[in-house]
Amino acid sequence: AQTVTQSQPEMSVQEAETVTLSCTYDTSENNYYLFWYKQPPSRQMILVIRQEAYKQQNATENRFSVNFQKAAKSFSLKISDSQLGDTAMYFCAFMRDTGTASKLTFGTGTRLQVTL
Amino acid sequence: DVKVTQSSRYLVKRTGEKVFLECVQDMDHENMFWYRQDPGLGLRLIYFSYDVKMKEKGDIPEGYSVSREKKERFSLILESASTNQTSMYLCASSFFNEQFFGPGTRLTVL
Repeated sequence: AQTVTQSQPEMSVQEAETVTLSCTYDTSENNYYLFWYKQPPSRQMILVIRQEAYKQQNATENRFSVNFQKAAKSFSLKISDSQLGDTAMYFCAFMRDTGTASKLTFGTGTRLQVTL
Repeated sequence: DVKVTQSSRYLVKRTGEKVFLECVQDMDHENMFWYRQDPGLGLRLIYFSYDVKMKEKGDIPEGYSVSREKKERFSLILESASTNQTSMYLCASSFFNEQFFGPGTRLTVL
């Protein structure tokens, strides 16, 4: 079974600053995907970024980037130039690569507050 | 854009009632999922379905059942609601490895 651990229940960052959210996972699989999802207050969960385990290059999406360390089973999210709209709950998630759709295993989440 | 809708944003039911939570997706996705979200526990998978009339148990299926009679619709059923089923319920559908979530139903069981 896979487990995902987010050790920071809450974080705060000032607008325009950079923040890093931590995530570690445990699996015996070699092929898998990792995700960061964002859930703004009272709004729908949306995908922020995705990383394929077979890719060594870290994924980036505009101000969002990851630091994927496969050997250490670590997958952190860096948000640059934080904006008030980044205030949300962030979930790290794991999915086995089965060749078809598979279930997600989520961490417990990190609540990020962006302040002025 | 993919749209996943859930029948209610907020629902209040009494202990022992049979509760139906409905989820509809408009992108012809084969796979659909039901999660519950609780503070400090993240999202936990209740059931999922990879085809019409097919279902598989997730990590916490006890007290729940599901129905998928049509591809676009996936229902979660609480046969006899209990107070420990008070939670946020999220539905998702997926194409390959990306899941798209509905807005959630906050269920309170009194």
